[in-house]
Amino acid sequence: GENVEQHPSTLSVQEGDSAVIKCTYSDSASNYFPWYKQELGKGPQLIIDIRSNVGEKKDQRIAVTLNKTAKHFSLHITETQPEDSAVYFCAASVTHSGAGSYQLTFGKGTKLSVIP
Amino acid sequence: NAGVTQTPKFRVLKTGQSMTLLCAQDMNHEYMYWYRQDPGMGLRLIHYSVGEGTTAKGEVPDGYNVSRLKKQNFLLGLESAAPSQTSVYFCASSYTNTEAFFGQGTRLTVV
Repeated sequence: GENVEQHPSTLSVQEGDSAVIKCTYSDSASNYFPWYKQELGKGPQLIIDIRSNVGEKKDQRIAVTLNKTAKHFSLHITETQPEDSAVYFCAASVTHSGAGSYQLTFGKGTKLSVIP
Repeated sequence: NAGVTQTPKFRVLKTGQSMTLLCAQDMNHEYMYWYRQDPGMGLRLIHYSVGEGTTAKGEVPDGYNVSRLKKQNFLLGLESAAPSQTSVYFCASSYTNTEAFFGQGTRLTVV
């Protein structure tokens, strides 16, 4: 099955600096790559996702890049703010147009701390 | 709009006791999932459902059972709780098998 590795496990940055979190996946059939943000005591919330037919996607201060050949994808947060402090999870899955087998495999998470 | 609601939020069980966790979604989603989250392990899929009346095993299904009798509800059962099942449990749902919306979690402690 799919295996997703996420690095680093913890990351501290100064407010205003950029943060980068990297993930690798093992199943070349994976075609959907979401990123989730989890604040303390809450459930994960989707912040951005990318599909295998796209190399990069951006949403304000957040961007995700995908390298299918190398089987890795990264989350980039620019101009970090204290409210960006949370645990971030990457995930990978194979999606099908109809009902069928489905597995969303998560990385182990990165605890991001933004220091004011 | 409530989204995904989990009941209960906290529970302490004794080894060998049974319990059921309830997940309810009001978004008319076809897909529902149960994950467990342990420190340093990320989120691991226990069971999932692709529609009413269907269930399937995920990565870590042993010791758990599920039922999806109604489209909006997905129940996770522990027949005989073990300390290894101490965890935070998250339910999620999605319209397609892509973006998943998560509940607030159930913190379960088995002593």
